[in-house]
Amino acid sequence: DAGVIQSPRHEVTEMGQEVTLRCKPISGHNSLFWYRQTMMRGLELLIYFNNNVPIDDSGMPEDRFSAKMPNASFSTLKIQPSEPRDSAVYFCASRPTGVGNQPQHFGDGTRLSIL
Amino acid sequence: GQQVMQIPQYQHVQEGEDFTTYCNSSTTLSNIQWYKQRPGGHPVFLIQLVKSGEVKKQKRLTFQFGEAKKNSSLHITATQTTDVGTYFCAASGSARQLTFGSGTQLTVLP
Repeated sequence: DAGVIQSPRHEVTEMGQEVTLRCKPISGHNSLFWYRQTMMRGLELLIYFNNNVPIDDSGMPEDRFSAKMPNASFSTLKIQPSEPRDSAVYFCASRPTGVGNQPQHFGDGTRLSIL
Repeated sequence: GQQVMQIPQYQHVQEGEDFTTYCNSSTTLSNIQWYKQRPGGHPVFLIQLVKSGEVKKQKRLTFQFGEAKKNSSLHITATQTTDVGTYFCAASGSARQLTFGSGTQLTVLP
């Protein structure tokens, strides 16, 4: 039973470069979330998709960040151009359809370092 | 969206001592979820509380939802080294997304 799969697990790149993070949600889950975690700001919701449609992107820090979900089994979070302050752990989570607020299942995260 | 305040930020306990983390909101919550994140790991769902005054137990963990549904707590009895990690409460917003508290980082000293 595969969980949420994220890639890459680690990414180190120089500022100004484009970074693409990938996520495969659990099959059958219709909601997908991208979070960013830092010591200073904790766990922040960046964007939330429901049935592949972005519902709430108010947490996306600025225009350098973009997210897509072209189909039910794949999502990307892109940062272009990247900056050192984007260094963080980025988590993807998915949630099944159901009555009420179902629990979210998190991937292992991508540890991003921008030099 | 929902704002949840979580205290304390850090807690060091001796193995065998009890531990409690508290989550508070200025508004009534429809439900609250608790997650645990081990060092270097990802948040893992523990439990969801929905009803006013609800109490749920998982072995040595006791979860409570306040009568006014504005606060919640997680209590661990007789901590073990395996309890080490950060415990987050999370409240759902109008669009059913979650707002996470800042977390309580628990260290258990052997």
